[in-house]
Amino acid sequence: EVQLVESGGGLVQPGGSLRLSCAASGFTFSSYWMSWVRQAPGKGLEWVANIKEGGSEKYYVDSVKGRFTISRDNAKNSLYLQMNSLRAEDTAVYYCARETMVRGVSAFDYWGQGTLVTVSS
Amino acid sequence: EIVMTQSPATLSVSPGERATLSCRASQSVSSNLAWYQQKPGQAPRLLIYGASTRATGIPARFSGSGSGTEFTLTINSLQSEDFAVYYCQQYNNWPPGYTFGQGTKLEIK
Repeated sequence: EVQLVESGGGLVQPGGSLRLSCAASGFTFSSYWMSWVRQAPGKGLEWVANIKEGGSEKYYVDSVKGRFTISRDNAKNSLYLQMNSLRAEDTAVYYCARETMVRGVSAFDYWGQGTLVTVSS
Repeated sequence: EIVMTQSPATLSVSPGERATLSCRASQSVSSNLAWYQQKPGQAPRLLIYGASTRATGIPARFSGSGSGTEFTLTINSLQSEDFAVYYCQQYNNWPPGYTFGQGTKLEIK
C-alpha cells in the first residue's frame, strides 16, 4: 500500500524557517517525481515545487523561488521542503504528492494527509 | 502562465441526478488535464487524468471529456459521498509545473 506521511509543520514567526519531511512507503520511491502542494485555509490547491527521480531537476512556483528548497533522500525514501523567509501568505496545509506520468500526461495519484504550517507573530 | 477557470463556483444537485462541472484553460493544454475530489479534512483524490481516463478504483459514474481549452467532469447518478469540492489541474511540459482551478463545490440540493 502506498503511503505518504508528512511531518514538520507548526507555528513559526514571519521571517523564520521550517523543514517539512515526507516519508514514503509501499512503492519504489526513487522511480517517481515528487511534489509539494499547499492549500491555504479555506482556499484552493497550489502546486509549490517538484523534484525529479534522482534529484537532478527541481522546479518551483514563482512565489517561493529563492525561499524554498525541495530535496529528497532516496536511500531514506524521504522528501523534504526547506522553507526560509516565511511569510503570512505561506500559511497552509502542505501535502506531499506522488506524480504519475502515463503517455506523456502527468497527475498526482497519491497524496499524504498534509501538515499545517502557520506563519504568525 | 496558464490560468484554469472552473464553473460554476457552487453547484446544487439532488442525489440520483447528474452533475456537470466545467474547466477552462487560458490556452491549450492538449489533454494534460486532471480532476480531483476533495472532502473536508481530507487530501485530494485523483479521479481523472489525461482529460478522460479514470484513475484506479474510480467508479464509472465519473467521466471526463474535452481537450485544448474546454473540459468537463460529469458525475452520473449522484451518490451522497460525491458531494465535495472538485478541482481541475493542468500540467505544463515547460517550464514544468502544475496549475489548479479554483474549485467547484458540489452540494446537495
